[in-house]
Amino acid sequence: DAMVIQNPRYQVTQFGKPVTLSCSQTLNHNVMYWYQQKSSQAPKLLFHYYDKDFNNEADTPDNFQSRRPNTSFCFLDIRSPGLGDAAMYLCATSMDRGPGQPQHFGDGTRLSIL
Amino acid sequence: RKEVEQDPGPFNVPEGATVAFNCTYSNSASQSFFWYRQDCRKEPKLLMSVYSSGNEDGRFTAQLNRASQYISLLIRDSKLSDSATYLCVVNMYTGGFKTIFGAGTRLFVKA
Repeated sequence: DAMVIQNPRYQVTQFGKPVTLSCSQTLNHNVMYWYQQKSSQAPKLLFHYYDKDFNNEADTPDNFQSRRPNTSFCFLDIRSPGLGDAAMYLCATSMDRGPGQPQHFGDGTRLSIL
Repeated sequence: RKEVEQDPGPFNVPEGATVAFNCTYSNSASQSFFWYRQDCRKEPKLLMSVYSSGNEDGRFTAQLNRASQYISLLIRDSKLSDSATYLCVVNMYTGGFKTIFGAGTRLFVKA
């Protein structure tokens, strides 16, 4: 089945130790998104790729970076994780950004910081 | 004022009840509207897109009122399995593409 796959499901890292979360998709969608969701809060968009074009949200900290080496894969790099970065990280895709284009989410990676 | 606002609830209803959620958005440049449901510690899943003419999918009806800038979701004959958080999502173009989630409305359906 076509889907959005995130690895790992759970990630534990140490304070300040770089960590990379991965997302792959078999939907052949043009757009890939990364969200951060903390408990009882709405998912917050960090950035998205429209094909190779990177679009950063204005309030996304510099600590968060992303790479999209090809259509299928997208990575979220957290350069120096702080305790406040513990959250669920959601990857999503959409065919396009036009009207009526829903996003399809992966299962998420739950990140814990020691 | 938040760009997308929802009543956080929780809504506690008995099985078989009809329940309605509202969501308001502040930016008139908003173009696409969706309802997602999210179960505890799971990812959001698309429930339905919302069209200007209104749309229905089984027990679920979604409506959009552009003039008043709100969307609604009506659930009829509630089931226990409808218990979840319902998220309102708005896509807009304001000098660039933007997608914004509401904080969600929590629904508990009880036997």
